[in-house]
Amino acid sequence: DAKTTQPTSMDCAEGRAANLPCNHSTISGNEYVYWYRQIHSQGPQYIIHGLKNNETNEMASLIITEDRKSSTLILPHATLRDTAVYYCIVRTGANNLFFGTGTRLTVIP
Amino acid sequence: DTAVSQTPKYLVTQMGNDKSIKCEQNLGHDTMYWYKQDSKKFLKIMFSYNNKELIINETVPNRFSPKSPDKAHLNLHINSLELGDSAVYFCASSQFLGQTGELFFGEGSRLTVL
Repeated sequence: DAKTTQPTSMDCAEGRAANLPCNHSTISGNEYVYWYRQIHSQGPQYIIHGLKNNETNEMASLIITEDRKSSTLILPHATLRDTAVYYCIVRTGANNLFFGTGTRLTVIP
Repeated sequence: DTAVSQTPKYLVTQMGNDKSIKCEQNLGHDTMYWYKQDSKKFLKIMFSYNNKELIINETVPNRFSPKSPDKAHLNLHINSLELGDSAVYFCASSQFLGQTGELFFGEGSRLTVL
C-alpha cells in the first residue's frame, strides 16, 4: 500500500473552508484514496473516498490531482465540531485500512 | 440504535488478569475488525473476521484471542494482561466485498492495566 504524508496540524477559522492536503506519490493505479476523521474520544468516522475523479458528498469534497500523487480534502464551511484528527489513507480495498498519524485540524472561533 | 456497540466502555484491571471486550453490529455487515489505539494515538489493526472466519491477524501476542460466534459479533479476550495492553480498543465493521471504503467504528473501549 502507498504511504501517505500529511501535515501534523492545521488551523482554520470558523466558517472558512478547510483544505487538508495529502501526498501519496507512490500510489498505484488500483488504489483508492480514503479520508476518515477522529473527533476526540470517539471512533474514526468515514468522510469520503475516490479513485481518480473528484468526489463530493454532504460532508466534504475530495480533489485528486491528475497524476494522483496528491489529494486535498475540503470542508467548505468549517465549524467547531469539525475539530478532529483527519486521516488520509491509500488502499486497494475497503478493508484493513491502515491509519497513519493524520492532521490535527483545529477550527478557531 | 447504535450501529457498532462495544462493552464495556471503560475497563480498569490489574496485571495478570483476564478480560473480555464485546462488540456487536446491527448493520448486516459480514466483516468485523479490532483496532488498537495506543497512547501515541496510532491506530493499528489487530484482527479481521469475515463471516466468522479469521482473515487478518497482525502481529499480536497470542494472549489476544478474538472470537466470532456469528457475523454480528466479534469479541476480544485478553489473557494475562500486561501494562502495555493499556490502550483504547475499537471494533469496526464493513461489507467485505464493497469498495466504498466505509468502516463503521464503535465508540471504543478504554482499557487501563495497573
